[in-house]
Amino acid sequence: DARVTQTPRHKVTEMGQEVTMRCQPILGHNTVFWYRQTMMQGLELLAYFRNRAPLDDSGMPKDRFSAEMPDATLATLKIQPSEPRDSAVYFCASGSRLAGDPGELFFGEGSRLTVL
Amino acid sequence: KQEVTQIPAALSVPEGENLVLNCSFTDSAIYNLQWFRQDPGKGLTSLLLIQSSQREQTSGRLNASLDKSSGRSTLYIAASQPGDSATYLCAVRRRVAGANSKLTFGKGITLSVRP
Repeated sequence: DARVTQTPRHKVTEMGQEVTMRCQPILGHNTVFWYRQTMMQGLELLAYFRNRAPLDDSGMPKDRFSAEMPDATLATLKIQPSEPRDSAVYFCASGSRLAGDPGELFFGEGSRLTVL
Repeated sequence: KQEVTQIPAALSVPEGENLVLNCSFTDSAIYNLQWFRQDPGKGLTSLLLIQSSQREQTSGRLNASLDKSSGRSTLYIAASQPGDSATYLCAVRRRVAGANSKLTFGKGITLSVRP
């Protein structure tokens, strides 16, 4: 069945290391979102793509985070260098934005990142 | 700035009860509102999507209502079961011109249904 796939599911790394998280949106979906979830802040939007073009990354710390969509089947979120405060669950979501109807969002299982 | 509030943060009920989960938002200029369920260690599963022109949506034992003027939505769960135990989040998509279409989430209500 169609679903959003995220890798890795779990990642433990040391401060200063580069972390790359990947997302395969549902085939045919043209919008992709990256969210971060923590106990304190809840779900925060980091980046938003439509038709592979970045439309909003205002929620993302630009000095260390970057998000890209090399092609329609892959979205990446990179943190370099990582810091302990980046520890969170990172979710990717995709949707189909038809004209006048952003539609439902479908979420992946998340990538749980722990930075020591 | 849109703010979404869900109170209480946690709720425990005995099996079989009908219950209502509340969601309030500050900016009534919304495009739609979506209710999600999140199980521990899992992603979010979409339950119901209500467009701004709609008043309610139903799926099985779930019914979600929307009152834009008062900035409120409720998720009604009929005849609750232990399997309904999860965190329920509501998210509001604001209405803006152009391409930006942020979904703002509440922090969720963690529901526990006791057998």
